[in-house]
Amino acid sequence: LAKTTQPISMDSYEGQEVNITCSHNNIATNDYITWYQQFPSQGPRFIIQGYKTKVTNEVASLFIPADRKSSTLSLPRVSLSDTAVYYCLVGDPRGSTLGRLYFGRGTQLTVWP
Amino acid sequence: NAGVTQTPKFRVLKTGQSMTLLCAQDMNHEYMYWYRQDPGMGLRLIHYSVGEGTTAKGEVPDGYNVSRLKKQNFLLGLESAAPSQTSVYFCASSLGSSQPQHFGDGTRLSIL
Repeated sequence: LAKTTQPISMDSYEGQEVNITCSHNNIATNDYITWYQQFPSQGPRFIIQGYKTKVTNEVASLFIPADRKSSTLSLPRVSLSDTAVYYCLVGDPRGSTLGRLYFGRGTQLTVWP
Repeated sequence: NAGVTQTPKFRVLKTGQSMTLLCAQDMNHEYMYWYRQDPGMGLRLIHYSVGEGTTAKGEVPDGYNVSRLKKQNFLLGLESAAPSQTSVYFCASSLGSSQPQHFGDGTRLSIL
């Protein structure tokens, strides 16, 4: 199973763009990349999912290079409320790796005024 | 729409006691999961289920049992609680294996 590596923490200021990179060198051909956000005392919440190139939704963008060995979550113009832990997951949508989903420690993003 | 509901929200147990954590989802999801989260460790998968009547082991299954008798419910049992099982437990559900998981707000369990 492709485990992931993320920075432990990042700091930013309100209004800036934040890019969090996740490394997944052993990603398999069928694996998708999914990002979650977790606030204190809450369960994680889905942000975005992608397979290759670029995916964008109303809250974030996900950039995946051609070799798919890494991915970057981009949060445009962050606010104080974006302070949270962000997790990158890699898994096979066919379910073969379902029992070994790896959340890792995530990246603690702190946004300052 | 309640989503995923976990019961109870807090519990304190003594070593050796047993208890069951209940997870209920109202989204008609096939897949359900139990995770534990310890400080600095992220989330680790305990058990999961791909449908009513099925269960499977995750990364850290020892000391836990699960049952999925009804599609909407996924129970996590501790037969003989140990201090090492002090943690925050999260339940999640998803429509399919590649679909986003929806999480509950967690159960904070302390074992003395």
